[in-house]
Formats: sequence, C-alpha cells, structure tokens
Amino acid sequence: KNQVEQSPQSLIILEGKNCTLQCNYTVSPFSNLRWYKQDTGRGPVSLTIMTFSENTKSNGRYTATLDADTKQSSLHITASQLSDSASYICVVSPDRGSTLGRLYFGRGTQLTVWP
Amino acid sequence: NAGVTQTPKFRILKIGQSMTLQCTQDMNHNYMYWYRQDPGMGLKLIYYSVGAGITDKGEVPNGYNVSRSTTEDFPLRLELAAPSQTSVYFCASSYLETGTGPYEQYFGPGTRLTVT
Repeated sequence: KNQVEQSPQSLIILEGKNCTLQCNYTVSPFSNLRWYKQDTGRGPVSLTIMTFSENTKSNGRYTATLDADTKQSSLHITASQLSDSASYICVVSPDRGSTLGRLYFGRGTQLTVWP
Repeated sequence: NAGVTQTPKFRILKIGQSMTLQCTQDMNHNYMYWYRQDPGMGLKLIYYSVGAGITDKGEVPNGYNVSRSTTEDFPLRLELAAPSQTSVYFCASSYLETGTGPYEQYFGPGTRLTVT
C-alpha cells in the first residue's frame, strides 16, 4: 500500500534553534518527493522537489535530503524563525508519466517556534 | 498573476443543501485538482481534470461532482451536503508536459466548509 508517514507529529522549538523533520514512504515506483509548508489557514506552498537521483536540495534555510534506497527523507530547518511556525508536509509522486499526476500526502509535522 | 483563487473562503451549510465551490487559475495550467483536508489528516484527492472537458475521480469522489468547461475554471459541486463533508477544500493546478521534469503544483487558499 502506498503510504507516507511523517514524524514527529508536532514539534516545539525555540527561535534560532535548528530542527529536523522525518518522512518515510512506501510509494512505488518512486518518481519524486516534495516538501510543502502550510501556514495556518493557507494552502500548501512548495519548498523543494527532489527526484530519485538527488540526495539533497536547499531552499534558503531549508535543506531536504533523500535516501531512495531506504525510502527516507528529512527536512532540516536552520536558525528557525517565528515565521517557520507551520505544518510541513511530505508528498511523494509515484511516477512522472501518469496522467493522474497522483500525489501521496503525509499528515504533516506541526512546527511551533517560540520566541 | 493571481495564481489559484477560490471562493468562498468560508461557508456553513445545512444538511441536504447544495453549493458550488469555485476555483479559477490564470496560469494556463492543463491539470486541475480538488482536495479535501480533514483535521490531522493528509490531503485526499476528490476529482481531477487533465484539460477542458476531461475529468476523473480521485480517491474520495462520493458526494461530489465537477465540470471543466474552460481551462481556467474547475468548480466543485456538493449536491446533498452531509456532516461528513465538513472539511477544508483546496483547489490546485499544475502544468504537465511529457518529457519535462517534475511538475510544480500550486494550491489555492482553501474553502472552509461546515455542514450542520
């Protein structure tokens, strides 16, 4: 069964600290993995997209890693800011060519950054 | 570019009422999607469209209908609202072209629907 599992479910950190969010998936065949940021009351916004051949990709203070062999990904946030408080969603695409454009969504990790 | 816009932002329906959630994109994307997001759950695909005049069911289509008469618009219709349809609904769009890299999917701001 195609699934995307994220951990932890929620996380509280102090402003300026770093954190790492985890994503494990069983989606197969695998095409690409995305991390989205969803602010409260807003739609998800893409942070990174990685194909199976990419190990790491950065977007400012966000760095995503991918191990396609173990089917694991992580999102590392450096020097957190209050504006990083949001839900971070891991999304996996099973194949590039499908006309469905099917994406499998994790439940998200709710990150809260305290001053 | 306004991107993906959705109306209304909020709506309360009584059981058995009907309504249409509107979605418009101005990016000339061929693919459009409707998702629902229940509290603490991942987004689930309701319906999608690969172009004007073409729609298909996603993971949770029961109780909903869609149409795609233009590239820009993809309305979602609820005919007989039920409490189980209380959720946040997101419309999204993307441009898929054979032979190109992973496509980006853009989401609207969402419609929060309560059925009582």
